[in-house]
Amino acid sequence: GDSVTQMEGPVTLSEEAFLTINCTYTATGYPSLFWYVQYPGEGLQLLLKATKADDKGSNKGFEATYRKETTSFHLEKGSVQVSDSAVYFCALLIIQGAQKLVFGQGTRLTINP
Amino acid sequence: EPEVTQTPSHQVTQMGQEVILRCVPISNHLYFYWYRQILGQKVEFLVSFYNNEISEKSEIFDDQFSVERPDGSNFTLKIRSTKLEDSAMYFCASTMDRGQGREKLFFGSGTQLSVL
Repeated sequence: GDSVTQMEGPVTLSEEAFLTINCTYTATGYPSLFWYVQYPGEGLQLLLKATKADDKGSNKGFEATYRKETTSFHLEKGSVQVSDSAVYFCALLIIQGAQKLVFGQGTRLTINP
Repeated sequence: EPEVTQTPSHQVTQMGQEVILRCVPISNHLYFYWYRQILGQKVEFLVSFYNNEISEKSEIFDDQFSVERPDGSNFTLKIRSTKLEDSAMYFCASTMDRGQGREKLFFGSGTQLSVL
């Protein structure tokens, strides 16, 4: 079935470091791909998305490119900040009848000053 | 920005007891969802709800679970007889009805359910 595999955490970086969180997926068809972020005490928020192959989603300095050939959607940021500390979830969207998101397990990111 | 509100933020219950988790979706949204995350595991889809009926449910969503939209603003998840393995963070979500709006789910901050 459809599934998402994320890089295991936790990940700890220093401020201004380069970030990559790996995400690969298995799906029939061509799903839309998403990164959600959960800041402490808050709900899941959509960070960025891509709806077709080679699309690049971007927001708040984060980027991810939909790679069909490698079935990947890795999250990157060139220079992280302390405020980026959160849990990041990769997900794909299935629309067959009702729609549902299939999530990865989440990666906890901590940025130290 | 509008938000989905969930109450309570934490719920502790004894095994075998009934619990009701409450959600207030965004007012003009028409699709509603429950997801859950057991500690250390993936966020899992439980159920979707549209037009006052369940549109899809997962294998997890057995006869012990039910959902309801009792008054046009609240959306509730009831677990009739809780089990230890129901301990998880439960997320409510809502989305608009059509087109690209359907792809953007708005999530609540979750209810942490602990079954003792």
